[in-house]
Amino acid sequence: NAGVTQTPKFQVLKTGQSMTLQCAQDMNHEYMSWYRQDPGMGLRLIHYSVGAGITDQGEVPNGYNVSRSTTEDFPLRLLSAAPSQTSVYFCASSFESGGSYNEQFFGPGTRLTVL
Amino acid sequence: RKEVEQDPGPFNVPEGATVAFNCTYSNSASQSFFWYRQDCRKEPKLLMSVYSSGNEDGRFTAQLNRASQYISLLIRDSKLSDSATYLCVVNRASQNFVFGPGTRLSVLP
Repeated sequence: NAGVTQTPKFQVLKTGQSMTLQCAQDMNHEYMSWYRQDPGMGLRLIHYSVGAGITDQGEVPNGYNVSRSTTEDFPLRLLSAAPSQTSVYFCASSFESGGSYNEQFFGPGTRLTVL
Repeated sequence: RKEVEQDPGPFNVPEGATVAFNCTYSNSASQSFFWYRQDCRKEPKLLMSVYSSGNEDGRFTAQLNRASQYISLLIRDSKLSDSATYLCVVNRASQNFVFGPGTRLSVLP
């Protein structure tokens, strides 16, 4: 069981470039989320998905796109990178049981620098 | 006002000390509450869920006061390995979670 995996671990982009951060989970979890973490800001939710084919915006969605074609994968696309998107990006998955929302399992993160 | 607020920290305590972290949240409809631990440059990991009746896991005790919209975490007999940032997490709705900014703890020998 690999849990939640993210690639790449590190990435440097130039302003205006696009790229996709990959996230996969092998726990058959319904829910997946993308967060960004900046110093002193805590984790902020970018987009989340409650199942294949269903996505929704979080707190800071601008400049990012997501899709969820399978239960396992939840890629995050940066459309035109900006220096303000320099951050650490975490993907997480979780499940619901008995009406309660359970713990989120996080991937190791992607450290992105936009020059 | 932020949706989830925590003690600003950092907390520097000697080994063996008892330390308490506080967290307040603004959304009265929140249903799920957690404490996560995050080590430097690592991903957050669940420390414990927080239940209305309060719950304990070894040296860790979590309390929830829905009326005051307040969550606490108590660590007894602190160990060097407890040094980390502690994150208070509350669900806004469904799978939409809000993280507090975190409180950093350093346990000193």
